[in-house]
Amino acid sequence: DAGVTQSPTHLIKTRGQHVTLRCSPISGHKSVSWYQQVLGQGPQFIFQYYEKEERGRGNFPDRFSARQFPNYSSELNVNALLLGDSALYLCASSWTGANNEQFFGPGTRLTVL
Amino acid sequence: KNEVEQSPQNLTAQEGEFITINCSYSVGISALHWLQQHPGGGIVSLFMLSSGKKKHGRLIATINIQEKHSSLHITASHPRDSAVYICAVGHNQGGKLIFGQGTELSVKP
Repeated sequence: DAGVTQSPTHLIKTRGQHVTLRCSPISGHKSVSWYQQVLGQGPQFIFQYYEKEERGRGNFPDRFSARQFPNYSSELNVNALLLGDSALYLCASSWTGANNEQFFGPGTRLTVL
Repeated sequence: KNEVEQSPQNLTAQEGEFITINCSYSVGISALHWLQQHPGGGIVSLFMLSSGKKKHGRLIATINIQEKHSSLHITASHPRDSAVYICAVGHNQGGKLIFGQGTELSVKP
């Protein structure tokens, strides 16, 4: 079975642009979470979705948004990019959430110039 | 103060040494996760535990719920164990994961 997949793997954008990152969970998993990992730090929680509903949101500005589709894949959108948005964006899937084992995708490395 | 604290932040060991990484947390949790992250970013789940002790190969994880503390032990360490080890807790409100800052382990041959 395929693991969690994310696309693209790398992305370079300029300030002010917007970006869409995609995540496909493991088959059967209904929960997807998004994390931002700035170089040298641990990941920070951005969003969690379960059964297409937002279950949790971290301390990120409204420029960050996400959604989950009927097939449980997910998109993370970031508008009006800032230099500080440069990071590794990780997606994790699980059956229902943080009470279950988390399976991480390889991440999307976003560079904002 | 971070809700999840790991120690040490960096650790260098000789091959064969017994290694311990500690994690303390201050929030109510549903589960605690130990994760391994290799250069390039990929994260692998090592353990998820809510009580007691789990063992997988040379890795052992323990948790003390009353003391809000967990340890990850590596026996007979090997250079391929070199990675960043991250402790993360599943918050019992909302289900999000809260991560520690990670422990960078380097095992020298």
